[in-house]
Amino acid sequence: EMQLVQSGAEVKKPGESLKISCKGSGYSFTSYWIGWVRQMPGKGLEWMGIIYPGDSDTRYSPSFQGQVIISADKSISTAYLQWSSLKASDTAMYYCAVTHGAFDMWGQGTMVTVSS
Amino acid sequence: EIVLTQSPGTLSLSPGERATLSCRASQSVGSSYLAWYHQKPGQAPRLLIYGASSRATGIPDRFSGSGSGTDFTLTISRLEPEDFAVYYCQQYGSSPGTFGQGTKVEIK
Repeated sequence: EMQLVQSGAEVKKPGESLKISCKGSGYSFTSYWIGWVRQMPGKGLEWMGIIYPGDSDTRYSPSFQGQVIISADKSISTAYLQWSSLKASDTAMYYCAVTHGAFDMWGQGTMVTVSS
Repeated sequence: EIVLTQSPGTLSLSPGERATLSCRASQSVGSSYLAWYHQKPGQAPRLLIYGASSRATGIPDRFSGSGSGTDFTLTISRLEPEDFAVYYCQQYGSSPGTFGQGTKVEIK
């Protein structure tokens, strides 16, 4: 069965760093783009960026360029989303999804809470 | 980037009724690269329609998508109880992909 399993919820303080993960299974991880989508509390979906694990080609939305880093380790079929210095405004649910343009299959989401 | 505007913001309907949701783009969406998702409370979104009119795997035929260029529509022919949710459109014809702000379909 094709699936994406994300790491668990995180509670962090402003200024801390964080890396969340998204592990793929049941398919060829290096053959499909993976994207990240943000959903702030009570709000809609925001396209953050995508990565092709086969060669780590990465594209960012201008809104998120320089704010996060998207990476992947194809040896363990895992994609990552990381922050070097979190802000309270980073509090949100973050989803990874396999994408052919449209987001075909989604992970369960990782809730990130940033609070002093 | 392409801005997607969904209407209405909220649609109040009864089970069995027909739902028509609109998604308008600020510029033409290339090759009809337009998708629709729904999201139920506490769940991840689920892909319903891609390529403006193709149903994703396992999606019942009461869901249909249409449109091209800048105007797209999602129609649910007869609402089932499980269809009450928030619906999002997304364009992936140009980077960055962008989402509409969502339409909530609620029980009247």
